[in-house]
Amino acid sequence: DAGVTQSPTHLIKTRGQHVTLRCSPISGHKSVSWYQQVLGQGPQFIFQYYEKEERGRGNFPDRFSARQFPNYSSELNVNALLLGDSALYLCASSLEWADNEQFFGPGTRLTVL
Amino acid sequence: QKEVEQNSGPLSVPEGAIASLNCTYSDRVSQSFFWYRQYSGKSPELIMSIYSNGDKEDGRFTAQLNKASQYVSLLIRDSQPSDSATYLCAAETDDKIIFGKGTRLHILP
Repeated sequence: DAGVTQSPTHLIKTRGQHVTLRCSPISGHKSVSWYQQVLGQGPQFIFQYYEKEERGRGNFPDRFSARQFPNYSSELNVNALLLGDSALYLCASSLEWADNEQFFGPGTRLTVL
Repeated sequence: QKEVEQNSGPLSVPEGAIASLNCTYSDRVSQSFFWYRQYSGKSPELIMSIYSNGDKEDGRFTAQLNKASQYVSLLIRDSQPSDSATYLCAAETDDKIIFGKGTRLHILP
């Protein structure tokens, strides 16, 4: 069975640009969460989506937004990129919203120059 | 601010010995706790989840939870060089998962 997939694997952008990251959950999983991980830190929670609705939001600016599609895949959008947005962006899926066992995708490495 | 605290390490353990990783959390109402393993350059991989006080064993791994002390630990028996990685402790709080910074574990051959 395929695990969580994310695209692209690597991305280089310049300050002020916009980026869209994509995630497909494990088949049958309905909840997707997004995390940002900078070097030397644990993943920081950005969003959780379940049944196309936002169920949780972390302490990130409004430049960060996301959505979930009817097939449960998800996109994370970041506008007006800053140097500090350079990080590994991780998507995790779980069966249900209340199911906290989350399984991570390989991540997207974003570099902002 | 609710937090999960871990010693960043590195923790060096001889091959074949028991590695003990510790974690504390600040939210008294947290009910779900997780240990993830993360190899350098890779994404976190779920090792164990634990929800009740006491021990939970899975192969060479044992998770221990003490809610009164707000303490979670992970024991790795018969440590192998392939266990060298960063171990992330996580706790559910306010309907989201909070991660610690991770402990780097180095198994000495």
